[in-house]
Amino acid sequence: GQQVMQIPQYQHVQEGEDFTTYCNSSTTLSNIQWYKQRPGGHPVFLIQLVKSGEVKKQKRLTFQFGEAKKNSSLHITATQTTDVGTYFCAGPEAGNNRKLIWGLGTSLAVNP
Amino acid sequence: EAGVTQSPTHLIKTRGQQATLRCSPISGHTSVYWYQQALGLGLQFLLWYDEGEERNRGNFPPRFSGRQFPNYSSELNVNALELEDSALYLCASSQKNIQYFGAGTRLSVL
Repeated sequence: GQQVMQIPQYQHVQEGEDFTTYCNSSTTLSNIQWYKQRPGGHPVFLIQLVKSGEVKKQKRLTFQFGEAKKNSSLHITATQTTDVGTYFCAGPEAGNNRKLIWGLGTSLAVNP
Repeated sequence: EAGVTQSPTHLIKTRGQQATLRCSPISGHTSVYWYQQALGLGLQFLLWYDEGEERNRGNFPPRFSGRQFPNYSSELNVNALELEDSALYLCASSQKNIQYFGAGTRLSVL
């Protein structure tokens, strides 16, 4: 079945270092979404990418959607302790745009 | 505007009992999604309701069931609880394909 895979599963960085998580889909996606879940919290929508090759920035976060619309990445520049959490990517199920297929997430720990 | 609300926050049950979890979507949202998130794991899709109908179901046994009411709120019922059902159960409502999550119900099965 359709799968969305994320790597790495875990990442520990020193505060100030950069961080990147990658998301790969087994199928072409019409869009990809990113969510963040803080420890003890619930997933919160960050951004949606729709166009092939699209790049969007939110302050220190840069999101990219691949040319083939099968992969995506989230890059955080100069991590801060507030970036701690699990980052999930999700894409619509093929033929059912209203159901999302989720990656397992990348858990980010930041050492101050 | 109120977000997605879930109740109760915590629920403690013993094996074999039944649990009922509740979710109220954001006003105007007609779809409700239920997910199970076991400790340290990702989101496992359980159920999707829209306009009062079950639209899709994840790979869970039939003892996981639910319903959606005319006001679009939803219930998730878990019968014959097993120890491995202990998890955070998240509800989300959606608009334009973006999902908005509640704070979850943490179910502990002893």
